[in-house]
Parts: sequence; structure tokens; C-alpha cells
Amino acid sequence: DAGVIQSPRHEVTEMGQEVTLRCKPISGHNSLFWYRQTMMRGLELLIYFNNNVPIDDSGMPEDRFSAKMPNASFSTLKIQPSEPRDSAVYFCASSLQSVDQPQHFGDGTRLSIL
Amino acid sequence: KNEVEQSPQNLTAQEGEFITINCSYSVGISALHWLQQHPGGGIVSLFMLSSGKKKHGRLIATINIQEKHSSLHITASHPRDSAVYICAVATNKLIFGTGTLLAVQP
Repeated sequence: DAGVIQSPRHEVTEMGQEVTLRCKPISGHNSLFWYRQTMMRGLELLIYFNNNVPIDDSGMPEDRFSAKMPNASFSTLKIQPSEPRDSAVYFCASSLQSVDQPQHFGDGTRLSIL
Repeated sequence: KNEVEQSPQNLTAQEGEFITINCSYSVGISALHWLQQHPGGGIVSLFMLSSGKKKHGRLIATINIQEKHSSLHITASHPRDSAVYICAVATNKLIFGTGTLLAVQP
């Protein structure tokens, strides 16, 4: 039974480049979450979708960040242009429905912006 | 003041000891999650609860809604329990505590 699948696992790129992170949620899960984890700030919710619709994007840092969920089995988080302070581990998680259901996390994408 | 506070921040225990990690919050919630993050980085959901107590193996989670407090207990701790334990509360989104780093020594 496949869990949440994220790609890539690691990304190293230069400042100013566009970065795209990908997530495939567990089949049948209606909610998808994007998180960022840093040493300084811990885990933070960036955005979450319910039935492919963004419900809360108040955690998205700024206009350089955008997220889409074109269908129930795929989501992307894009950073353009990237900056060194965006370096973090980005997690995707899914749940059956909303924030008061158990969440299943992907393995994360470790992003380094040089 | 953070909306979710965990204590202690760091905890070292000897194998076999009973461990308690605490989580206090200041907002109204619909549920509370306990998560475990191992040194490799993966995050696993341990419990989600909105009242009372839940038990899974050697792990027990309790919540007191009136006191706005939850505890995670580990009985007969083992070195493989060494990890970061994170409390998160569900409002209209998830708000995370800063985590408790647990090291269980053999």
C-alpha cells in the first residue's frame, strides 16, 4: 500500500532558479498539506487543499511560493525565484479529510539553495 | 507566547524508564496530534485524539480539554524510541509545538 510519495528527495540548486516539488497523496485521501521544516522555525504549515481546492494558504511565505493541485492524485509546490533562506525540508502529507484526521507524511524533499 | 508549548525540550532517559512529554495549548481545538520524527527525518503520526486517552503498544496519549493539556507517555522505554516527538493542535489548520528531543540510552 503506497504512502505519500514526494519527489525529488533532494534538490540542490542555485539562487534565482525555479524549484518544483511534487507530491502524490494516498489514494482516496481528500486533504493534502504542504509543510516546511527548518531548525529555526520547526514545522510550519504552508498550505492545505481539500478536494483539490486551496483552503488555507496563510502560511505561504510570499509571492515567490505557489502551490497547485490539478487533480486528486498530484500536487506541486513551486518557488520562483528561489533564495538561500528557502533551504529547508519540505513535507507533503495527506489525510482522509481535513486537519482533524490522522495525517500520513511523505519522506520529504531536502532543498538547498546555494 | 507560542500557541502550543511542549516540555521538556530535551529529555535523556535510561532504557526501561517511564517517560512523559507534555503539551499545553492556548487555542480552541478540534483535535490534537502526536507525531514522531526519527533522526532520518521521516514523520509518523502516532495519535490523533479529541478527548480521553488512547493506547498503542507502549505508547499512551491523554488529553484534558478543560485544562488545554495533553501528555504522551512511553512505558518501558527503549533506545529505538529515541526521536523528536511533536505535538500539533488542529484549529482551522495545524499548529505545531517545537518538539521534544528524546534520547533513550541503553
